[in-house]
Amino acid sequence: QKEVEQNSGPLSVPEGAIASLNCTYSDRGSQSFFWYRQYSGKSPELIMSIYSNGDKEDGRFTAQLNKASQYVSLLIRDSQPSDSATYLCAVSPRPNAGNNRKLIWGLGTSLAVNP
Amino acid sequence: GAVVSQHPSRVICKSGTSVKIECRSLDFQATTMFWYRQFPKQSLMLMATSNEGSKATYEQGVEKDKFLINHASLTLSTLTVTSAHPEDSSFYICSANLQSREQFFGPGTRLTVL
Repeated sequence: QKEVEQNSGPLSVPEGAIASLNCTYSDRGSQSFFWYRQYSGKSPELIMSIYSNGDKEDGRFTAQLNKASQYVSLLIRDSQPSDSATYLCAVSPRPNAGNNRKLIWGLGTSLAVNP
Repeated sequence: GAVVSQHPSRVICKSGTSVKIECRSLDFQATTMFWYRQFPKQSLMLMATSNEGSKATYEQGVEKDKFLINHASLTLSTLTVTSAHPEDSSFYICSANLQSREQFFGPGTRLTVL
């Protein structure tokens, strides 16, 4: 089982719809959760971070965390063609001497928003 | 805030030469910097983690003698690809973080080895 899993997609939604991206993780001790957006040929850009159970909203983006079920999701409301990108889920594992602040990355979900 | 720069953005070199890539945190002091590599249509692959003033920690399968990392200050880390070969052609990206676990990425360096 991979440590952080995402559906590779592509996820295709019409413009104006809600895009729902999901991520599951295996380490119950994980503490911090991040969503990054990566456009083709560019580096990742942090769009959301979430640390506690529940929802966190920022503009059109909502991150949802459920530690008991070990999943984190990202909702994009009123999707726009400019949201078309790969969305990467990243998780910080429980701290120990060996992990040195690194993140565990999912392989990403490709999102296509159709005009 | 939390701006990370990389230089150069693109480099083309001949096989056998060495290439140095710089990563700078412009408006903060980075506790830790990370180096990633990404091949076309593949996911990020962490190569190494570097802390200022100490040796880098390399991920399994990454040759530390080929990919030299120097973290000379809290705002600068360098990656040197030694004796580069065509299979080293890739997109190299650095990131840095603050006290939290959030990582902020540089714009990346596209390396092409002829």
